[in-house]
Amino acid sequence: GESVGLHLPTLSVQEGDNSIINCAYSNSASDYFIWYKQESGKGPQFIIDIRSNMDKRQGQRVTVLLNKTVKHLSLQIAATQPGDSAVYFCAEKGVGGGADGLTFGKGTHLIIQP
Amino acid sequence: SAVISQKPSRDICQRGTSLTIQCQVDSQVTMMFWYRQQPGQSLTLIATANQGSEATYESGFVIDKFPISRPNLTFSTLTVSNMSPEDSSIYLCSVAQANTEAFFGQGTRLTVV
Repeated sequence: GESVGLHLPTLSVQEGDNSIINCAYSNSASDYFIWYKQESGKGPQFIIDIRSNMDKRQGQRVTVLLNKTVKHLSLQIAATQPGDSAVYFCAEKGVGGGADGLTFGKGTHLIIQP
Repeated sequence: SAVISQKPSRDICQRGTSLTIQCQVDSQVTMMFWYRQQPGQSLTLIATANQGSEATYESGFVIDKFPISRPNLTFSTLTVSNMSPEDSSIYLCSVAQANTEAFFGQGTRLTVV
């Protein structure tokens, strides 16, 4: 099947290491941010979200950091596993004409090396 | 989270024809959206499907090319009209309640030949 990661930046990490995926967003007025994971042949899967009144949020093995000053978002994945291999997208809400729709970043293809 | 079913899951279509993609949700949802994901690219919002009224289209997308219906709170369709090879993409349905994350269907993989 086609690879959604074909033209995207790639991050390769060793299994068990921590991964950090970065994202720059476009609009300082955005108030809600989401990280999605997309495996080959599937739709995006929600990982974690954060609102603009926070700068950090933790989930199971994942942490999202938000720096509004420089409009930067990061996703940290602890102790990466082979199942973490996928394309990761950040998305922001509150941008553009469809105020409730999401604007997606370019995506990063995470590859876990054994 | 909502369970979203899209049909068809994939199709190969002749240029000049039209394809209607269906999105069914297992519960009533406030918002439904349609996205396009071109090969190797990120997702782009096409439009917000509004129940009982015309969809709200994003810049670069028009109703004549991508007519959308939403007859109720659990169902929507997207039609890709007069297709050309440039329309080959994954088309994704997404749903959300107010102030919550959006969930996505598995997508419809369209190839136009």
